[in-house]
Amino acid sequence: GAGVSQSPSNKVTEKGKDVELRCDPISGHTALYWYRQRLGQGLEFLIYFQGNSAPDKSGLPSDRFSAERTGESVSTLTIQRTQQEDSAVYLCASSSGRAFFGQGTRLTVV
Amino acid sequence: GEDVEQSLFLSVREGDSSVINCTYTDSSSTYLYWYKQEPGAGLQLLTYIFSNMDMKQDQRLTVLLNKKDKHLSLRIADTQTGDSAIYFCAVDMDSSYKLIFGSGTRLLVRP
Repeated sequence: GAGVSQSPSNKVTEKGKDVELRCDPISGHTALYWYRQRLGQGLEFLIYFQGNSAPDKSGLPSDRFSAERTGESVSTLTIQRTQQEDSAVYLCASSSGRAFFGQGTRLTVV
Repeated sequence: GEDVEQSLFLSVREGDSSVINCTYTDSSSTYLYWYKQEPGAGLQLLTYIFSNMDMKQDQRLTVLLNKKDKHLSLRIADTQTGDSAIYFCAVDMDSSYKLIFGSGTRLLVRP
């Protein structure tokens, strides 16, 4: 596609439920990132995939967070047992030299 | 680890130039970026500079890179009210494509 696509664009979930966020990167981009942006704050790195290498998970805030990517295609970020503090915009980016971002998924945990 | 610092806020008058500054710690960065985020919107790649360049100009935008001081700046000429947004500086870490962002500078353009 023309850009990085994320779905859903908005998600409201009840505390304790699991959520899955999807990112479709730009075709051919080897690197993929997930970031989180809480209201009024900067970007917080979560996880980074580069080709077939082991992902850098150093930014995941707890073991409730996990992400997968198959090859150089779609990635999913899963948050288990969501908490109110997980409410944020989750941004995905893909890169093959320059990073391009999706529009993000706004997650609200009520 | 890598650290990227930006001032939090900048206010300018319409028509003036804006200069947003950024400092970073990783000297091996290959690409350095400026992103713009308007209220309620995603991040928009504004411009970027390769680490072997000192300056890049793109219409009203000028990026200056001082590698010795690890200082990056974004100059917006003839700033317009539509330029009001948060501007994020980002650098790749260890040339690995892993991006580290500053906390963003909120630019307010006064009429």
